[in-house]
Amino acid sequence: KQEVTQIPAALSVPEGENLVLNCSFTDSAIYNLQWFRQDPGKGLTSLLLIQSSQREQTSGRLNASLDKSSGRSTLYIAASQPGDSATYLCAAMNSGYSTLTFGKGTMLLVSP
Amino acid sequence: DGGITQSPKYLFRKEGQNVTLSCEQNLNHDAMYWYRQDPGQGLRLIYYSQIVNDFQKGDIAEGYSVSREKKESFPLTVTSAQKNPTAFYLCASSIPNRDTYQPQHFGDGTRLSIL
Repeated sequence: KQEVTQIPAALSVPEGENLVLNCSFTDSAIYNLQWFRQDPGKGLTSLLLIQSSQREQTSGRLNASLDKSSGRSTLYIAASQPGDSATYLCAAMNSGYSTLTFGKGTMLLVSP
Repeated sequence: DGGITQSPKYLFRKEGQNVTLSCEQNLNHDAMYWYRQDPGQGLRLIYYSQIVNDFQKGDIAEGYSVSREKKESFPLTVTSAQKNPTAFYLCASSIPNRDTYQPQHFGDGTRLSIL
């Protein structure tokens, strides 16, 4: 059964720092790996989706990478801003299924 | 604008009572999902449906029931058999992912508490 782990559980940084959020998964036979953002009391917003054949995806200041052989994905946030403060969740979609396995998330606080 | 609407935003349940959470989408998505989120936890899948009149159990289906009579609607009933229903419930929809890589779209959730 797929298991997804996110490290760290919480992260606090000053504005302007570049930061990396980590996600690891146990079953490397994944269809895709997705990163979501969740604001307090809200639903999830999709940030980036990396297909199994891809190594990375970029959107603005966000870059996500995927290394299936090591079972890892990273989300890189450049020049962090207070508006980036949220919980970031990664989720793996297994081959042959259309359901996601989520990590517990990393709670990010960017202070001005 | 297309999206997913969950109602109510807050819901309170008395002991022994069944309650139903509403989820409606106008994205024309075939697949719909229900997740439960507890504090400090990731999302756990309760039920999902890939097509009208069909649904499958997820990892934590016990104490819950669903129906999928219309493409746009996927209501979740929390029955009295669910002994610990206090949680944040999220509904999502997507295009089935066997042939395309499309992310799930989420509603804003319903927070359920026990009175």
